[in-house]
Amino acid sequence: NAGVTQTPKFRVLKTGQSMTLLCAQDMNHEYMYWYRQDPGMGLRLIHYSVGEGTTAKGEVPDGYNVSRLKKQNFLLGLESAAPSQTSVYFCASRSQLGGEGDEQFFGPGTRLTVL
Amino acid sequence: AQSVTQLGSHVSVSEGALVLLRCNYSSSVPPYLFWYVQYPNQGLQLLLKYTTGATLVKGINGFEAEFKKSETSFHLTKPSAHMSDAAEYFCAVREYSSASKIIFGSGTRLSIRP
Repeated sequence: NAGVTQTPKFRVLKTGQSMTLLCAQDMNHEYMYWYRQDPGMGLRLIHYSVGEGTTAKGEVPDGYNVSRLKKQNFLLGLESAAPSQTSVYFCASRSQLGGEGDEQFFGPGTRLTVL
Repeated sequence: AQSVTQLGSHVSVSEGALVLLRCNYSSSVPPYLFWYVQYPNQGLQLLLKYTTGATLVKGINGFEAEFKKSETSFHLTKPSAHMSDAAEYFCAVREYSSASKIIFGSGTRLSIRP
């Protein structure tokens, strides 16, 4: 099991450029999440998905879009990158079967810099 | 709505000393509580969790946490710090919703002095 993987690991963008971050999990988890991590602010939820074909907004969704066309993949898109989106992005997944106490499994992160 | 407050953004202890990282939560219902650890340039890893039952929860690497409902606290402790414990630690509470989202605290960076 690879667990949760993220592509790419690092990326530098210019303001206005677009990109897509890919998250993949091989644990057959129903729930998937995208977070951003900024110094002193912990992890903030951007978007999440409760199953294939579904997405929902989290705490800080503006400037991002997501898609979940396949159960194992959750894509995060930036249509027009801004310097405020410089951050480390983490993907996580969780099984629906384990109940409320089940943990989220995290990917290694993508470090994005927008110039 | 649930929320989490971690007291102290940076804690420094000597190797072999007690580690105490503080976490307070707010929740109108019995909470599910988590501590995650993040080593440099890595993702988050679950240390321990409280769901129901015993209020003293043991986790990996010798860490434990005690759920105190009267104090709305879930502090993380380790009797003797090791250099390898240097990392960032996040307290989190499960939000009650259809997607069971987790609300994270702002994190505490733990440094270990030789």
